[in-house]
Amino acid sequence: EAQVTQNPRYLITVTGKKLTVTCSQNMNHEYMSWYRQDPGLGLRQIYYSMNVEVTDKGDVPEGYKVSRKEKRNFPLILESPSPNQTSLYFCASSLFGGQYNSPLHFGNGTRLTVT
Amino acid sequence: GENVEQHPSTLSVQEGDSAVIKCTYSDSASNYFPWYKQELGKRPQLIIDIRSNVGEKKDQRIAVTLNKTAKHFSLHITETQPEDSAVYFCAASSRYSSASKIIFGSGTRLSIRP
Repeated sequence: EAQVTQNPRYLITVTGKKLTVTCSQNMNHEYMSWYRQDPGLGLRQIYYSMNVEVTDKGDVPEGYKVSRKEKRNFPLILESPSPNQTSLYFCASSLFGGQYNSPLHFGNGTRLTVT
Repeated sequence: GENVEQHPSTLSVQEGDSAVIKCTYSDSASNYFPWYKQELGKRPQLIIDIRSNVGEKKDQRIAVTLNKTAKHFSLHITETQPEDSAVYFCAASSRYSSASKIIFGSGTRLSIRP
């Protein structure tokens, strides 16, 4: 089944403790992206990747890191989480980005709480 | 910077009536405008999209219209049903080949009254 898989679904952690949220897609998509969803603010793009080894900042990249060493994986890293990073996070992928924009396929989301 | 404004933030309509959600974008280079539906506790899923070379697109009870001059696009749902209750997000995406920022609106919570 074609899907975007992110783990974990729920995560509670403490300030400053490094964490990684994994994201994997099995559709051979070139484009992958991370979003955070907060009430009243919609979905805000954190980082995106047009292809392997190519990543770029979205609108709210501060406090996050990503890597794209393989086409299928796009982990989100919080080196030193803070309470303002408490949010619902979605990973998404699409066949192409850039001038050949195509629909996003979202993962099931990760609800992160930082105390 | 680029921005997408979405209105209204909440919308309640009688079952069977129509619902309209409107979005305005700021980046004149935007060329792709998808709409996503997010049911409670679920992931956003694409329901319809439109590209800048098309003015209108329909899929059964759902239609999207695009006015490039005014930089706004709208989602129209006719004959609403209870399963249409959800949060709807519009988005605008740039045509630049070297970058691909996707800007989402803040969402519209649609409730269908029985």
